[in-house]
Amino acid sequence: KAGVTQTPRYLIKTRGQQVTLSCSPISGHRSVSWYQQTPGQGLQFLFEYFSETQRNKGNFPGRFSGRQFSNSRSEMNVSTLELGDSALYLCASSRTYRDGGYEQYFGPGTRLTVT
Amino acid sequence: DQQVKQNSPSLSVQEGRISILNCDYTNSMFDYFLWYKKYPAEGPTFLISISSIKDKNEDGRFTVFLNKSAKHLSLHIVPSQPGDSAVYFCAASPESRDHTGNQFYFGTGTSLTVIP
Repeated sequence: KAGVTQTPRYLIKTRGQQVTLSCSPISGHRSVSWYQQTPGQGLQFLFEYFSETQRNKGNFPGRFSGRQFSNSRSEMNVSTLELGDSALYLCASSRTYRDGGYEQYFGPGTRLTVT
Repeated sequence: DQQVKQNSPSLSVQEGRISILNCDYTNSMFDYFLWYKKYPAEGPTFLISISSIKDKNEDGRFTVFLNKSAKHLSLHIVPSQPGDSAVYFCAASPESRDHTGNQFYFGTGTSLTVIP
């Protein structure tokens, strides 16, 4: 089955601009999470969506927002970009099985560079 | 405050031997744990998970052990292969029996090198 896809893969923006990143989860996965990865901070949780509702939110400013559509696809938006927003943004989709099993898979990420 | 810690930034193991990657956590509410491996320029790849109701989970060459009293988990890779060379991350999530929400905290990773 197809994996998690993210678009675009690379993006260059200037300070003050806004950006929208897209994520398509694995078919059958209803939960989508977003993470920011930087060399200094590692993987930091941004937020998680399930059935179009935000269930969890990490410790990021309100400039970071997201949404999920009825087909489970998700977008995240960063407004008023700052240099420190330069990072790899990873999307992960997940599902829980009746036996308690759980799986989560990451997409390849979107590399955002803010100049 | 780093709630999930991988204290060994790197590990080198001879091919065919066992690789043991360790992870410690501080939050007793963590209930679900995952291991990932990551190659450069790629997103993390899910390897194996374990919930707190178990102390061991196996999947092929990979076994994860959980010691809740010590707040410690480990990933064993037997036998290690050169293709296993990557950065390995552990991640933990607070209790969510029906998985109504998942917020994973990641360790900083351990770079494993398997020497042929």
